[in-house]
Amino acid sequence: DQQVKQNSPSLSVQEGRISILNCDYTNSMFDYFLWYKKYPAEGPTFLISISSIKDKNEDGRFTVFLNKSAKHLSLHIVPSQPGDSAVYFCAASGAGGSYIPTFGRGTSLIVHP
Amino acid sequence: IAGITQAPTSQILAAGRRMTLRCTQDMRHNAMYWYRQDLGLGLRLIHYSNTAGTTGKGEVPDGYSVSRANTDDFPLTLASAVPSQTSVYFCASGPQLGTGELFFGEGSRLTVL
Repeated sequence: DQQVKQNSPSLSVQEGRISILNCDYTNSMFDYFLWYKKYPAEGPTFLISISSIKDKNEDGRFTVFLNKSAKHLSLHIVPSQPGDSAVYFCAASGAGGSYIPTFGRGTSLIVHP
Repeated sequence: IAGITQAPTSQILAAGRRMTLRCTQDMRHNAMYWYRQDLGLGLRLIHYSNTAGTTGKGEVPDGYSVSRANTDDFPLTLASAVPSQTSVYFCASGPQLGTGELFFGEGSRLTVL
């Protein structure tokens, strides 16, 4: 059973608008969450993370929000740019998963010029 | 700085053959991981290693083996390849298990016929 779920396989957004990528998790022992970005034919690269002691972390155009009670996190990209077009993976780690990162299935973001 | 190097980049293999995917990192990270990426299934953990000399099984370990003789190298071996092992394989490393982001290699695309 999936412990980290990204229920939207794809998302299409206009350049300049906000992109919101969602992620849900089931294991309440997860306490560290990360987003990775992956371009075709490349390995995933780390984008932003958040610890369970926070509910928001911001880095430039990227903000991650964590709602622990709902076991939900989201990645906001504002403003979206065509270069943001990639697959985004949500990952979680913590005592419940022996501290090994567990990944979601990814969301493919397309930002149209 | 190379980071993580994987080889080969791509390989076509006959079913039943033995194959070793190589992974080397120069960041002196303790933890290393092997993931496979399949369409619609995201990144699934095959095996991991907390530190040199130790290994552990991930979500999909069957048909694969690993070794960690030293800090830098973490090869993945398919003893007798089957078509269901056709995938893109990513090696990753991190400073230690469960902390911080992972650094991924560029991937090895394996096709088993």
